[in-house]
Formats: sequence, C-alpha cells, structure tokens
Amino acid sequence: GESVGLHLPTLSVQEGDNSIINCAYSNSASDYFIWYKQESGKGPQFIIDIRSNMDKRQGQRVTVLLNKTVKHLSLQIAATQPGDSAVYFCAEPGNSGYALNFGKGTSLLVTP
Amino acid sequence: DAGVIQSPRHEVTEMGQEVTLRCKPISGHNSLFWYRQTMMRGLELLIYFNNNVPIDDSGMPEDRFSAKMPNASFSTLKIQPSEPRDSAVYFCASSPREPDTQYFGPGTRLTVL
Repeated sequence: GESVGLHLPTLSVQEGDNSIINCAYSNSASDYFIWYKQESGKGPQFIIDIRSNMDKRQGQRVTVLLNKTVKHLSLQIAATQPGDSAVYFCAEPGNSGYALNFGKGTSLLVTP
Repeated sequence: DAGVIQSPRHEVTEMGQEVTLRCKPISGHNSLFWYRQTMMRGLELLIYFNNNVPIDDSGMPEDRFSAKMPNASFSTLKIQPSEPRDSAVYFCASSPREPDTQYFGPGTRLTVL
C-alpha cells in the first residue's frame, strides 16, 4: 500500500548545527504534507506544512523542501537547539482524504 | 486558545475494567480524530468524526472499543473490557475542516495490568 517513510530513524547533531530530516512518500497524488514534532510525553505538534504546488516553504528556523520528481520531503532546522530534541514525523493525507498517514518518525538528539 | 484537551492524562487499570477517555476539541473545529500510538505500530487512526457524525471507524480494533461525540465540544473513547494489549497512548486531534492540518491533544497514557 501507499505509505510515508523516513530514511533515518535517529539523528544526532551538535547544538548550533543545522539539521536535515528526510522523508520519502509514495502517493504522488498527495496535495499537501505536514511536519510534526513530538516531544517526550506530549502529543505531536504542528511545525509546518507545504502544498504540492510549492517547492519550498520557510518558517521560523525551519524550512521544508518538496521534490515531487523523486517524491522526497525534507525538514531543515537552522541553528539546532536542545529544545529541538524530539521525534519528527512527516505526514500526508491518506486515501480517504481526511486521515493522515504518518511515517515512523525520526528521533533528533541535540548534543551540547 | 486552550488547544485540544484530553483527560485523564494517565490511566492505570486492571484487565477487564472499563476505561473511558475524554476529549474536548478546539472550538470551531468540525473534525475530530482518535489515534493510538505504540512503539510497534506508531500512530494509528481509530475513528474519525465530522460534524459529530462518525465517518470512518475502520481503525477501531474490535467491538470492545466504542466512541461517541454527543456534541461539537466533547468526545469519548471507551474500552470495555480492557486488555493488557490495549496499553498505549491515545491521542485526540481536531481540525477546522477536512482535509486540513490536525492539532493534537497531550494524550492519555493507558496502562492495563
């Protein structure tokens, strides 16, 4: 079936460095994608989304890039901080159109 | 905005007991979702409501699980009888329309002994 997957299950970066979290998707018909951040003991928190008619979208310290040719999505975090340590999920609408298909998640660990 | 509110935050119960989880969506949102999260299976959609009406409950594991949404500001997820394999974190999420970004509550961590 169609699914959303992540290349790297864990990522360790030093404080101040930039982080890149990748996501591969298989549903070419998806018209938007969402990145969520989940800290320990908390629910997934919306970070940023991007529509399929865009290649790039920037937020505060975060940038999402969408490459529809290779069905690849990435989340870039600038000047990573300890508070960025969390599990990051990419998500896309499922076949139903309302439910979200979540990837397995990438754990980001920021070291001092 | 208070965000999605869930209660209780933690629940420990014994096998066979009834468990009721509660959710208050964000005011004005007309879509509500119940998810279950485990290490093995990740986030799984259990049921989806739109305008208080259940639209898709195909993710509900079995008849022991039931969900209601009596009004736009309240929903419950009930497990009766509970089993150890139901232990997980249960999330409620709401969105202003379908499809759209979903906003999650803090979750209820359920432990069934």
